[in-house]
Amino acid sequence: DQQVKQNSPSLSVQEGRISILNCDYTNSMFDYFLWYKKYPAEGPTFLISISSIKDKNEDGRFTVFLNKSAKHLSLHIVPSQPGDSAVYFCAASWGSARQLTFGSGTQLTVLP
Amino acid sequence: NAGVTQTPKFQVLKTGQSMTLQCAQDMNHNSMYWYRQDPGMGLRLIYYSASEGTTDKGEVPNGYNVSRLNKREFSLRLESAAPSQTSVYFCASSQNIRNTFGSGTRLTVV
Repeated sequence: DQQVKQNSPSLSVQEGRISILNCDYTNSMFDYFLWYKKYPAEGPTFLISISSIKDKNEDGRFTVFLNKSAKHLSLHIVPSQPGDSAVYFCAASWGSARQLTFGSGTQLTVLP
Repeated sequence: NAGVTQTPKFQVLKTGQSMTLQCAQDMNHNSMYWYRQDPGMGLRLIYYSASEGTTDKGEVPNGYNVSRLNKREFSLRLESAAPSQTSVYFCASSQNIRNTFGSGTRLTVV
């Protein structure tokens, strides 16, 4: 059973517009949520995180929103740029070693 | 600052062969991890090491063994490779919530 789900395999957005990527989780024991960005033939790179006790975290063009009651989080990218085109993974942190459980990813394509 | 270094980058094995994937980090992180990524799926945790001298199973440990050689190095061994182990393998390290990943090893078992 997937504890972290990204139900949209792909998303296309026009340059300059907002990109919204969604993620759902089932395990209430997750205490941090992270977004990673991945380009082909590279490892994932950290983008932004949020503690389970917060509902919003911003870093430049990137904002993550957490709705604990709905077990849902979203990543907003404003404005979207062609360089943002990549696979975005939602991940949840748990355990003393901070292991991550990943969603299946969403391929974002930003069209010029 | 190299971060997390994985070797090799590519490998083709025959069914039944063994090999060890190497990983080293230079960030003085306590925790290290091995993940695999298959097409259309997210990364899945194989094994992890919370600190030097400890290792634990993750979500998909069958067919693998690990060694935390010292604080810097964490290796993953396939004793008898199977086609189902064809995947991209990522090593990561962490001091807090943020895992830092290597660039991956693409392994094909024929």
